[in-house]
Parts: sequence; C-alpha cells; structure tokens
Amino acid sequence: GENVEQHPSTLSVQEGDSAVIKCTYSDSASNYFPWYKQELGKRPQLIIDIRSNVGEKKDQRIAVTLNKTAKHFSLHITETQPEDSAVYFCAASRWVEYGNKLVFGAGTILRVKS
Amino acid sequence: DTAVSQTPKYLVTQMGNDKSIKCEQNLGHDTMYWYKQDSKKFLKIMFSYNNKELIINETVPNRFSPKSPDKAHLNLHINSLELGDSAVYFCASRRGGEAFFGQGTRLTVV
Repeated sequence: GENVEQHPSTLSVQEGDSAVIKCTYSDSASNYFPWYKQELGKRPQLIIDIRSNVGEKKDQRIAVTLNKTAKHFSLHITETQPEDSAVYFCAASRWVEYGNKLVFGAGTILRVKS
Repeated sequence: DTAVSQTPKYLVTQMGNDKSIKCEQNLGHDTMYWYKQDSKKFLKIMFSYNNKELIINETVPNRFSPKSPDKAHLNLHINSLELGDSAVYFCASRRGGEAFFGQGTRLTVV
C-alpha cells in the first residue's frame, strides 16, 4: 500500500522568508498529490494539489513541484506571513472514484515568527 | 450550508461505554472516510466507503463499526471505549480529487 513520508516535522521561519516542505511516496500508481493546511482546532483544508501529468503548479504565494521519477513532491511558500502558521499535510492517492484511500504524511508544524 | 457535518463536536465518556459519531455530507460525493487524528497530529485513515459499501478497513479493532445507511451518511459506532481511543475523529467525503473534512469530533475517554 501507499506510504507517505514528510519532512521536516517542524519548521520555524522569519516572516517574509520562504518555507519548503518535502514529501516522498511509495506507490508508483499514485497520481494525485494534495496539500492540506490545518489551523489549530480546525479541520484540514486543501490549499493546493497537483496531478501527475504536470511537474509544477502555482497559486499566488504557494507552489507545489512533483518529481515522478524520484517520487518526491514539495510545497513552497514564499513571503511567509504569521497567518501561514499551521500544520501542513501532504497526501498521495489515485484519482479514481471508487473509495481509494487518501494517505497523509505525518504533518509539518510551520511557525512563522514576526 | 455546511458541506460535511459531524456530531457531536465534543464527546467525553467513561471507559467501557459505547458511543456513536454521526457524519453527513451534502456534496453528492460517492466516497466517505473516517480518519483518526492522535495527539501527534497524524491523520490515520480508518475506513473508506463508496456508495454505502466498505472498501477499506485499515486494521481497525472490531470495536469500531462504521455504518452507511445511504451514500450521504457515514456513522461510526465504538464499543467498549478504551483510553487509547481518545483522539479527534474526522469524517471526510471525496469525489476524484479534493477531500472535504467535517469539523471533527474530539473524543475523550476517562
């Protein structure tokens, strides 16, 4: 089955700096890679996702890159702000509609210091 | 309208009791999940359902029994609660890509 590893487990940056979180996955059949943000006491919410037919996707200050050969994908946050402080989860799955599981990494606690 | 709603939000109960958590989604999704989030924040999948049918059971103790009366609802019943069951339980629904999560149920077993 799929196994997703995520690093680092905690990350502290100064406001305005960039933050990078990295994940690896094991199942070569996985073709969908979302990133979720979970603020304290709240539910996880999707912030960006990428499918395996593209290598990079950007949405304002956040971007995700995917290296299918190496089974790596990464989240990049530029110009970090205090409100970016949260737990970030990567995940891997197959884009199908019959209940296939979404496997999460262990999470990264991001702290943005002002 | 809330897309995925689960009740109750908080549940405090004694060891050995039986409790249920309810989940409903109004997104028309076919797939629903239960996840357990422990104190270390790890989101571990427990069950996956598709159109009311159990697809995945991730070696969860059989004290946990999910039930899906229709594809919009996925409830979780837990028998003989143990201290180690204390966690936040999230329901989620999905079609293809994005999974939408409920607000979570914080279960505390004392």
